[in-house]
Amino acid sequence: DVKVTQSSRYLVKRTGEKVFLECVQDMDHENMFWYRQDPGLGLRLIYFSYDVKMKEKGDIPEGYSVSREKKERFSLILESASTNQTSMYLCASSFRFEKLFFGSGTQLSVL
Amino acid sequence: KQEVTQIPAALSVPEGENLVLNCSFTDSAIYNLQWFRQDPGKGLTSLLLIQSSQREQTSGRLNASLDKSSGRSTLYIAASQPGDSATYLCAVKTSGTYKYIFGTGTRLKVLA
Repeated sequence: DVKVTQSSRYLVKRTGEKVFLECVQDMDHENMFWYRQDPGLGLRLIYFSYDVKMKEKGDIPEGYSVSREKKERFSLILESASTNQTSMYLCASSFRFEKLFFGSGTQLSVL
Repeated sequence: KQEVTQIPAALSVPEGENLVLNCSFTDSAIYNLQWFRQDPGKGLTSLLLIQSSQREQTSGRLNASLDKSSGRSTLYIAASQPGDSATYLCAVKTSGTYKYIFGTGTRLKVLA
């Protein structure tokens, strides 16, 4: 079965720090996604990548950037963490636009 | 712009009951629709995917239906168990876009 692995389950960072969230999938999927999930707001798309070095902005890209140097790895970067970026971050991958496979999530707290 | 709504936000039922969860969407030009389960503090697990051309999909005690003309999908859970307690989300992939639009979910509690 497809495995999507997020490097950290819990992360605590200070305001202004640069934060890297890593995601790796093992099924050669071309599509990878980063979402954040907040109570009452549901899942919101931050960035989407459809190939190595290719990306599209989602609905809330401000304050974030991404990197996809290898097909299996998609990184989310918070350039200067702020308290309003405290959230659950979820990575997902798919073959074409079929079934979405999610990682177990990273709960990020920015103090 | 596609909007996805799930009502109710929360539901409690006694064990053994059959139940239906609802998902409504505003744009019928969908590519597919997925139902997910999410346990507290965890990621989402895909339960069922229905393609635009399909009317329903079944997996074990779960059955999902799709009616594009009315903008509705339902997830039917037969003979509910306490282990079914979780949040259930639906997500719609609209044709011509790379985005999946998620509902905010229905939090289900099955009482033993």
